[in-house]
Amino acid sequence: SAVISQKPSRDICQRGTSLTIQCQVDSQVTMMFWYRQQPGQSLTLIATANQGSEATYESGFVIDKFPISRPNLTFSTLTVSNMSPEDSSIYLCSVPGLSYGYTFGSGTRLTVV
Amino acid sequence: GENVEQHPSTLSVQEGDSAVIKCTYSDSASNYFPWYKQELGKGPQLIIDIRSNVGEKKDQRIAVTLNKTAKHFSLHITETQPEDSAVYFCAASEGWGKLQFGAGTQVVVTP
Repeated sequence: SAVISQKPSRDICQRGTSLTIQCQVDSQVTMMFWYRQQPGQSLTLIATANQGSEATYESGFVIDKFPISRPNLTFSTLTVSNMSPEDSSIYLCSVPGLSYGYTFGSGTRLTVV
Repeated sequence: GENVEQHPSTLSVQEGDSAVIKCTYSDSASNYFPWYKQELGKGPQLIIDIRSNVGEKKDQRIAVTLNKTAKHFSLHITETQPEDSAVYFCAASEGWGKLQFGAGTQVVVTP
């Protein structure tokens, strides 16, 4: 399965600022997924990022708040914009593996103060 | 869309006993059912998965069963060990479609 490197692993940010999270994969993948995991909660899909096209956002998530870049088949970024304490979560990227399996990165633990 | 319910939310077992977590799904088109283990401070790790063309799959102490008619699937962990303590998530998807996750089960294995 693919190996995912996600940066930063954690950060504490001031409200009103933005944070860009990076996801690097050791192999080329068509689809990359970004999830949010609020404290003590399950995983919620934010958007699907395909190389060469606009990301597809799930209901409740908008591009202005969570802009995504996908410049090539091994890299993607998610920006959390104009942060508020409600954005404090773990943000995870994920890629498809073999036979429908999906691999997750270790996550970025974001605290907004 | 797909809705996945997971029970129980917490599960405490004695070391050596078995643990069972159950999930139900709503979309009959779903055909892929993975289980993830998430340890504190880490991302979810796939531990076992099953497709709709089989009813059971085993991997050492872990097994998953699927009942398509009833739309439910279960994770079975036998001979539990302290290192099995974690949060477990079930999920469902149609092929390479969106993964819909259950709410998670906190498993605590006490020595």
